[in-house]
Amino acid sequence: GAVVSQHPSRVICKSGTSVKIECRSLDFQATTMFWYRQFPKQSLMLMATSNEGSKATYEQGVEKDKFLINHASLTLSTLTVTSAHPEDSSFYICSARSDRAYGYTFGSGTRLTVV
Amino acid sequence: GQQLNQSPQSMFIQEGEDVSMNCTSSSIFNTWLWYKQDPGEGPVLLIALYKAGELTSNGRLTAQFGITRKDSFLNISASIPSDVGIYFCAGHRVGNDMRFGAGTRLTVKP
Repeated sequence: GAVVSQHPSRVICKSGTSVKIECRSLDFQATTMFWYRQFPKQSLMLMATSNEGSKATYEQGVEKDKFLINHASLTLSTLTVTSAHPEDSSFYICSARSDRAYGYTFGSGTRLTVV
Repeated sequence: GQQLNQSPQSMFIQEGEDVSMNCTSSSIFNTWLWYKQDPGEGPVLLIALYKAGELTSNGRLTAQFGITRKDSFLNISASIPSDVGIYFCAGHRVGNDMRFGAGTRLTVKP
């Protein structure tokens, strides 16, 4: 099946620092990946669509200068939370579209805590 | 933003009972999907529905794609403790990203 690996699974960082989260498609190529944010007891909210070789498309209200997305290869997209603040603490999940399984396979998520 | 209305928000049931949850939308979707999310994990696909009216089963799970293409339901029969988790519906339109319902949090008492 289609496997998506997300790393790290948990990260704690200090306010003002930047954190990078990686999303890799292990056994397929993904021209499109998606980044979601999930607050406790809430649903997944799409933050941005990551397109290989081009700029990401951000959802309304998501600061593109704060959440930097790079999709430099067909198997890797990264989300960098810049100048993190405690309110950025959340569960971030990526997904990738595969032609093999129905469409969308999710990573296991990253729990970010900003202190 | 979210375009799917999922209900109920939470359910507390006894082991062995059946469960039903549904999603409705004001928009038409080409595909409906149901995911389960365990704590601290990403969602895992349970069932995908591709055609209006389609009824699909996966073990104790049954889901249907509504005729109007604006709704779907998921049933779980004879619930067991490992069914505990959050269930999300998701709708997809060709050329667009996937949108999620708010989730149904299921608790199963042994």
